[in-house]
Formats: sequence, structure tokens, C-alpha cells
Amino acid sequence: NAGVTQTPKFRILKIGQSMTLQCTQDMNHNYMYWYRQDPGMGLKLIYYSVGAGITDKGEVPNGYNVSRSTTEDFPLRLELAAPSQTSVYFCASAPQGAYNEQFFGPGTRLTVL
Amino acid sequence: GNSVTQMEGPVTLSEEAFLTINCTYTATGYPSLFWYVQYPGEGLQLLLKATKADDKGSNKGFEATYRKETTSFHLEKGSVQVSDSAVYFCALSEGVQGAQKLVFGQGTRLTINP
Repeated sequence: NAGVTQTPKFRILKIGQSMTLQCTQDMNHNYMYWYRQDPGMGLKLIYYSVGAGITDKGEVPNGYNVSRSTTEDFPLRLELAAPSQTSVYFCASAPQGAYNEQFFGPGTRLTVL
Repeated sequence: GNSVTQMEGPVTLSEEAFLTINCTYTATGYPSLFWYVQYPGEGLQLLLKATKADDKGSNKGFEATYRKETTSFHLEKGSVQVSDSAVYFCALSEGVQGAQKLVFGQGTRLTINP
């Protein structure tokens, strides 16, 4: 199993550009999450999904969109990139059930200039 | 809302030293508590967890006990190694049923010198 994979690893965007961060998991997990990690800070939840076709906002959803058309994929879309979105983005997945571990991808480092 | 506070880093120790990283939380209800570790250039990995008061989580020589009376979940290891150098995150989960949403502390960077 590859686990949770994310692409790209690094990206530099100009203000106003758009991009999609890809996330795929091969563990057949129902739950998927997107977090951002700012320097010296913990991770903050952007969006999450409990299954295909179902998504919901986390703590910091503004400026982002998500979709979940399959169990495996959970892309994160930035429509109009802003410097405040410079961060490291982590995707995670978890099996259904209480107290279950979240499995994290390696992250995407995004810089908006 | 729920929150997690960790001791300020960075923390630098010599090999075989005793480690404590403090973590306290504020939460309604009875969350599960976690320690995640992030090695350089990698995503987070679960180190240990505890799901109810007085539970002790343990893994790879690390331990943490869920203390409801002091709302704490301090991470300890008796003898650290250079390979333990990483960033450690304390977290709590919101929600028992459905998708658990994690609330993280700010992380503590640990460096172990040989």
C-alpha cells in the first residue's frame, strides 16, 4: 500500500492564480481531511469528508474548495491564491469508527508570491 | 472552543537524557488525546493515544497518561536517542462518532545531540 499520496511536493504560485492539490489514498478509508500547517504552528483543519459526495468545512475553509467524487481522491482547490495561503498542506485519511488513527500524506509546500 | 497548549520549543537534550514535553488541553466533553510525531520532510505519524481518563498510551519507549483532573497529557521518555529528533504534536479529537476532527497544539521541536 502506498498509503496517502499528495502531489505536487512543492509549488510556487503568483497572486491570483489557481491550482489543485491532489490527494489519493489506497486504504479504502471513508474519512479524509485537509490541514494547513503554518510555520511554528499546529495543523488547522480546512475541510473534511465522511465519504464520496459528502464534504464539510473545518476551522479555516475560506479561499478553498473541495470535492469527493470517489473514495480514493480528495482534491483541494485554491481559486485565487493569496500570500496568506502560503503554507504546508497535509492530506489525511482515517477508517470509519471511533478513536481511529489518521494517516497523513507527506505534504505539499505552497508559496504564493 | 477546544484547544491544546504545548510547552514552548525548541528543546535540545543529550542522548540518554530524560524527556518531558508538557501538553494541556481545554475541551468540552471527554476527547481522545494523541501524540503525533513529524520527522524531517515527512507527514505526521501517530505515536500514541489515550481514549479515556487514566489511560496510558505507550509506544517506542514514549508514554503519556490522560489526566482529567489536570487536563494534561504530558509526553515522557526515559532515555532519548538521536533518532528521536523530530517535531512532536499533542492533539485532541472532537467528536466520538462520525469523522473525528483533530485539534493540534503548536508542536515542539526536539533535537537530541550525541
